[in-house]
Amino acid sequence: KAGVTQTPRYLIKTRGQQVTLSCSPISGHRSVSWYQQTPGQGLQFLFEYFSETQRNKGNFPGRFSGRQFSNSRSEMNVSTLELGDSALYLCASSISGTTNNEQFFGPGTRLTVL
Amino acid sequence: AQRVTQPEKLLSVFKGAPVELKCNYSYSGSPELFWYVQYSRQRLQLLLRHISRESIKGFTADLNKGETSFHLKKPFAQEEDSAMYYCALAREWGQNFVFGPGTRLSVLP
Repeated sequence: KAGVTQTPRYLIKTRGQQVTLSCSPISGHRSVSWYQQTPGQGLQFLFEYFSETQRNKGNFPGRFSGRQFSNSRSEMNVSTLELGDSALYLCASSISGTTNNEQFFGPGTRLTVL
Repeated sequence: AQRVTQPEKLLSVFKGAPVELKCNYSYSGSPELFWYVQYSRQRLQLLLRHISRESIKGFTADLNKGETSFHLKKPFAQEEDSAMYYCALAREWGQNFVFGPGTRLSVLP
């Protein structure tokens, strides 16, 4: 079956702009998590959505938001971009979001903020 | 607060030698611990989790609650084990994982 897909794969934006990233989970998976990966901070959890509801949230400012649609696809939005938002953004999906279920990662979207 | 540390950024061993990747955590509850691996130009993927107590690709990891450690071990390293390894912790329920900084394992011929 198809894996987790993320679009776009690469994105260049300037400070102050906003950006929307998309994640399509594996068919049948209802939980989608988002992570930010940077050389300095490593992999950090942003938020998790399950059945269109945000269930868990990491320690990121309100500029970072997300949503999930009825087909489990998820988007994350970053408003008023800052240079420090340059990172690889990963999403991961799992069947129900419990730790019993393996989460499968997408290839990531690399965001560069100039 | 939950925290995962991996003291080695880079670990180099020769093929056939034993390897141990260290992971320590801090968490007040009952954590679930995982090892994830990322091979070159591949996605991050689950290697093993402590609750299943399984051995994957010859790797094992034992949760030591007294020492708050979850070290990854393999008795005989192979060149194809070269990759980035991340230790991760999750609460009893939910997918909000805390990842360690990662250790790059390089297995030399």
